Amino acid sequence: GAGVSQSPSNKVTEKGKDVELRCDPISGHTALYWYRQSLGQGLEFLIYFQGNSAPDKSGLPSDRFSAERTGGSVSTLTIQRTQQEDSAVYLCASSSSTVMNTEAFFGQGTRLTVV
Amino acid sequence: AQSVTQLDSHVSVSEGTPVLLRCNYSSSYSPSLFWYVQHPNKGLQLLLKYTSAATLVKGINGFEAEFKKSETSFHLTKPSAHMSDAAEYFCVVSVASGGSYIPTFGRGTSLIVHP
Repeated sequence: GAGVSQSPSNKVTEKGKDVELRCDPISGHTALYWYRQSLGQGLEFLIYFQGNSAPDKSGLPSDRFSAERTGGSVSTLTIQRTQQEDSAVYLCASSSSTVMNTEAFFGQGTRLTVV
Repeated sequence: AQSVTQLDSHVSVSEGTPVLLRCNYSSSYSPSLFWYVQHPNKGLQLLLKYTSAATLVKGINGFEAEFKKSETSFHLTKPSAHMSDAAEYFCVVSVASGGSYIPTFGRGTSLIVHP
């Protein structure tokens, strides 16, 4: 597609439920990143994929968070047993590579509200 | 470790006056630096990037930034603010991680433009 697409754009869920957030990167982009942006905060890095592989998962806040990427394309971020502190905007970005000076292109984000 | 520090959480200017958004970096090697802008309810957009080709980098919408190694700074400037410049601005550095580079964000500076 023309840009990074994220779905849903908004998600309201009850505490304790599981949620899945989807990211469809720019076609041909091998690198994919997930970030979390809480109200008034900067972007917190969660995880990145090079192809289907996630070399560094240390940014995930807890073991309730997981992510996968299939076919070198679509990625899903799953949050199990959601908590109110998980409420945030989850941003996905993709880039043509993970070399140093490569620009990342961002989606519009998924606003997650846990009630 | 590589990081960026945005020195001001908020900057307030009058329309038509100069804009200065400050960013200092910490890096053990020559960094790749970026400025992104996030307008309300919009996605993140690249303003400009530094990749060592030139110390003065020109970006979109009349913004520019100067890389100063002696001061470890990469401040964003614009000669004359416009109302449409009101947004959140992020300074970003590429951080090495397992053979790849991850865009790592500062906490952001909110630019307020008064008529």
